[in-house]
Amino acid sequence: SQTIHQWPATLVQPVGSPLSLECTVEGTSNPNLYWYRQAAGRGLQLLFYSVGIGQISSEVPQNLSASRPQDRQFILSSKKLLLSDSGFYLCAWARLVTEAFFGQGTRLTVV
Amino acid sequence: KNEVEQSPQNLTAQEGEFITINCSYSVGISALHWLQQHPGGGIVSLFMLSSGKKKHGRLTATINIQEKHSSLHITASHPRDSAVYICAVMVGGAQKLVFGQGTRLTINP
Repeated sequence: SQTIHQWPATLVQPVGSPLSLECTVEGTSNPNLYWYRQAAGRGLQLLFYSVGIGQISSEVPQNLSASRPQDRQFILSSKKLLLSDSGFYLCAWARLVTEAFFGQGTRLTVV
Repeated sequence: KNEVEQSPQNLTAQEGEFITINCSYSVGISALHWLQQHPGGGIVSLFMLSSGKKKHGRLTATINIQEKHSSLHITASHPRDSAVYICAVMVGGAQKLVFGQGTRLTINP
């Protein structure tokens, strides 16, 4: 069965520190992978998506980057966190006409 | 303008009422998803639609491809239905999954 793992669940990081959030998928191959952010009281905003290894599309210019070093691995990174990077980060995978699957999310607080 | 618009943004109703949440989109899609988000942030997939109608228990989702509109209906609503309901579309050409802003539903006993 298809599963998606995202970690950590919560993270508190100082301003200026680096960030690495990892998402891995099991039970499928060549999935489309997505990173979203949800600020407090807001909807889920698409940050990056990937349709294949090494292929990254960025939706919103910002302090973050994404990489897909393996077929079922999607990483969200920052070299230096800002206070405004705080929020709930969600990883997902889907295909054109299949069900979507979601990680449990990471609540990031930048202090 | 957002590619996906939901209405209403907030909805409060009494237990037992019939609930309708609407979703309109402005792009060509291959599929539309209805999702449920609980206070902890976790997201559960309710339906995936590419045409017609689907029903699961007290929940029904419909989609009109020509009008680019979908609705989620809840019959005999219950306080445990209180959550944020989100419409998301798979944009066909780009293969990106875009979320609406969500509808916060509160069902009072």
